Amino acid sequence: NAGVMQNPRHLVRRRGQEARLRCSPMKGHSHVYWYRQLPEEGLKFMVYLQKENIIDESGMPKERFSAEFPKEGPSILRIQQVVRGDSAAYFCASSPAAGGYEQYFGPGTRLTVT
Amino acid sequence: SQQGEEDPQALSIQEGENATMNCSYKTSINNLQWYRQNSGRGLVHLILIRSNEREKHSGRLRVTLDTSKKSSSLLITASRAADTASYFCATDVNNDMRFGAGTRLTVKP
Repeated sequence: NAGVMQNPRHLVRRRGQEARLRCSPMKGHSHVYWYRQLPEEGLKFMVYLQKENIIDESGMPKERFSAEFPKEGPSILRIQQVVRGDSAAYFCASSPAAGGYEQYFGPGTRLTVT
Repeated sequence: SQQGEEDPQALSIQEGENATMNCSYKTSINNLQWYRQNSGRGLVHLILIRSNEREKHSGRLRVTLDTSKKSSSLLITASRAADTASYFCATDVNNDMRFGAGTRLTVKP
């Protein structure tokens, strides 16, 4: 059973470009979480999605950031018009259900904005 | 928003010693989890303790939870150099996970 997959592992974008980060949850998991980690800091929750629904996006910046988890295919975290401050590691995690379940983390996507 | 806060921020010990990390949080929780992150890697789940539990063991790990003080501790006994990593506590509040900034543990051989 493959773990949580994220791609790309490393992404370089120039300021103003768009970044698309993909997350394929573990088989059988319908809950996906996105986190951002700035250098030397802890994880910060961004958004929690269930298939086709955004459950909680309280941690996501209001502008330029969006997330989706379609019925088919991976979850996508999209950052439009990237700025240098968006440079970070973005981790996604999945769980089989809500509440009280372990979250399984992917290896992360390291975004660098030049 | 952030919920758990780990203490200390950094800890350096000799191999064989015990390492204790603490986590405090603000609101009522369903459960609390500890994760480990090796440099540049994703997080690995270590242990989950539910709000009605007080102590849990897993190998060399011992976790305690005091809901009256809104705090938890992670004890690693007989530490090894391979335990060098960052350790995060995460609180489950109404199905949302919130992480602290982590404790960076260095175990010197």
